Amino acid sequence: AQTVTQSQPEMSVQEAETVTLSCTYDTSESDYYLFWYKQPPSRQMILVIRQEAYKQQNATENRFSVNFQKAAKSFSLKISDSQLGDAAMYFCAYRSAADRDDKIIFGKGTRLHILP
Amino acid sequence: SAVISQKPSRDICQRGTSLTIQCQVDSQVTMMFWYRQQPGQSLTLIATANQGSEATYESGFVIDKFPISRPNLTFSTLTVSNMSPEDSSIYLCSVSGGHSSYNEQFFGPGTRLTVL
Repeated sequence: AQTVTQSQPEMSVQEAETVTLSCTYDTSESDYYLFWYKQPPSRQMILVIRQEAYKQQNATENRFSVNFQKAAKSFSLKISDSQLGDAAMYFCAYRSAADRDDKIIFGKGTRLHILP
Repeated sequence: SAVISQKPSRDICQRGTSLTIQCQVDSQVTMMFWYRQQPGQSLTLIATANQGSEATYESGFVIDKFPISRPNLTFSTLTVSNMSPEDSSIYLCSVSGGHSSYNEQFFGPGTRLTVL
């Protein structure tokens, strides 16, 4: 069974600095998708970024980028120029391309604090 | 991305009663999901609701306790039956199977349930 591990329960970063959130996963499949979701105190889950496993190029969305290392099964999220609005719980997630039910497996999350 | 609404946004209920949570999407989607999330924790999938068929429940969740309806491609309900304080949680609806090839899930704003 696939698993997603986020080893950092909490992290803090100074406003305007860069922070990297770690995520590793375990799978025997070669075709899958990876996601980072953000959940601010409003509890609305927001999709931050997504990556297809067959793409070598790392995904980027404005200040958010990933470092996808397929062989190492690592999928870290880098947030550049951190802003107060980035404070949230961040969840790394995995979806098998073969799963017709589109189920997603979530990690336990990393709570990110932004220090003014 | 799909726009998802949930009703109610929060409720306080007495032990032994039942609450039905509604999830409405602004476009037709294939799959709808119901999650439970304890404060500060990750998401736990309750069941997957496919239109026109019985919901598929995850281990530890049963239809008698969490009956689900999916009458069409834009609407679903989750009922929390015979509630106890242990059912106090956030309940999230999500959808997938829209126009994105990633089939990522998009989430509603959640329902915060407190059982006294």
